[in-house]
Amino acid sequence: SQQGEEDPQALSIQEGENATMNCSYKTSINNLQWYRQNSGRGLVHLILIRSNEREKHSGRLRVTLDTSKKSSSLLITASRAADTASYFCATDAWNNDMRFGAGTRLTVKP
Amino acid sequence: EPEVTQTPSHQVTQMGQEVILRCVPISNHLYFYWYRQILGQKVEFLVSFYNNEISEKSEIFDDQFSVERPDGSNFTLKIRSTKLEDSAMYFCASTIENYNTEAFFGQGTRLTVV
Repeated sequence: SQQGEEDPQALSIQEGENATMNCSYKTSINNLQWYRQNSGRGLVHLILIRSNEREKHSGRLRVTLDTSKKSSSLLITASRAADTASYFCATDAWNNDMRFGAGTRLTVKP
Repeated sequence: EPEVTQTPSHQVTQMGQEVILRCVPISNHLYFYWYRQILGQKVEFLVSFYNNEISEKSEIFDDQFSVERPDGSNFTLKIRSTKLEDSAMYFCASTIENYNTEAFFGQGTRLTVV
C-alpha cells in the first residue's frame, strides 16, 4: 500500500535529547510529509520533502528521504517537553491522495 | 493565519441516525478532504473533492457516506445511518493545489455513536 508506516510506535526521551522517527512506505511517491498531532487534536503540517530531495531542515527539524529504500526519517534536535505529541508521516502519490501511517507517539520528559 | 474550521467539535448520536459534519475550508483552497481517526489509531483517508466532484474515495467511504459543497464556503460529510464503528474523530482538510503542497487540517469533530 502507499501509506507510510512509522517506527518506533512509541518513543520516550529526556528533554534535550534528540528524537528520531522513521517512516517506510511501499509505492512510488510524489512527496512525503510529516505532521504533528497533540492529544487527538488536528494535524499540523511540519515539513514536506519532494521525491527528488534528499534532506530538508526547518528549525530543529531535519527530514531525510531515501527513495531507493522507500524510507524517511524525522529528527527533532534538542527536544523540549512541548514536543510531546504524535508524529505522522504521510505519502502523496501521483494517483492517490495523501495517506498516513500509524504514527509515533513521542514523550519528552522534563 | 487562515484556518480550517469544523463544527460541531463533538457530536453524540443514536445508532441508525443521520449526521452531518461541517467544515469551512480555507477560502482560496480548491481541494478538500475528509479523514477519520478511530481513537488511538491511524488517520484514515475517506474522500477527496475538487470542482464539485469526488476525486478519490477509499473503501471506507461506502454508500452510507456522502459529501457536498452546498455553497461557496461549507464542505460537509454526511453519514446516513450511523453504526457504532463510525465512532471516531473526523478531520477535514484543504489544500490550494492537489500535489506538493501542505494540507491544512481542522481541529476535528469527535463523533460518538451510542
